[in-house]
Amino acid sequence: DSGVTQTPKHLITATGQRVTLRCSPRSGDLSVYWYQQSLDQGLQFLIQYYNGEERAKGNILERFSAQQFPDLHSELNLSSLELGDSALYFCASSPNLAGVSYNEQFFGPGTRLTVL
Amino acid sequence: GQQLNQSPQSMFIQEGEDVSMNCTSSSIFNTWLWYKQDPGEGPVLLIALYKAGELTSNGRLTAQFGITRKDSFLNISASIPSDVGIYFCAGPPRGNQFYFGTGTSLTVIP
Repeated sequence: DSGVTQTPKHLITATGQRVTLRCSPRSGDLSVYWYQQSLDQGLQFLIQYYNGEERAKGNILERFSAQQFPDLHSELNLSSLELGDSALYFCASSPNLAGVSYNEQFFGPGTRLTVL
Repeated sequence: GQQLNQSPQSMFIQEGEDVSMNCTSSSIFNTWLWYKQDPGEGPVLLIALYKAGELTSNGRLTAQFGITRKDSFLNISASIPSDVGIYFCAGPPRGNQFYFGTGTSLTVIP
């Protein structure tokens, strides 16, 4: 158990719909990262938040957005869903210690999104 | 953009055999991480490397930070069925991007 929790574990929805995925980081971790994992794409970095602010952005579609709340949990919002958005979505957290250029990331169990 | 290539892409080995896989980068890294992902689960950190030439072990796993700083290697000795999964390498962020390798899928035949 990494200490990172994600809900829901599974989500089935229809094209055009909007969903929200939730992540709670490990206690004390300030950074949250979101990744998408499709069958043929590997782990694709979407976005990072640090202490409530967006820190880095990867290959995140404009239909997707995220935020990190004062209690440090994060939500990933996916809208106007398409069939190709079906994937595993992982959240990871890290402590982001001062002076360290890279912190080890600890992953949650993921949310499996199926768009029909 | 940055790419981390892993080889081999997949491996099928007999239980008890040793395994070697590697990860190469198009640019120099100062950190290498190795993760394992079980089916339907999130990746779990196995080993972290922070210094060129560094050799670090975690049980039957040994990873090395290549001296060119553009590659890293992971070895598993005396494989067992629970070693099955996908192994990913990862490096530090480049231009605020975080990259994971393409993955090596390991199957252990009892």
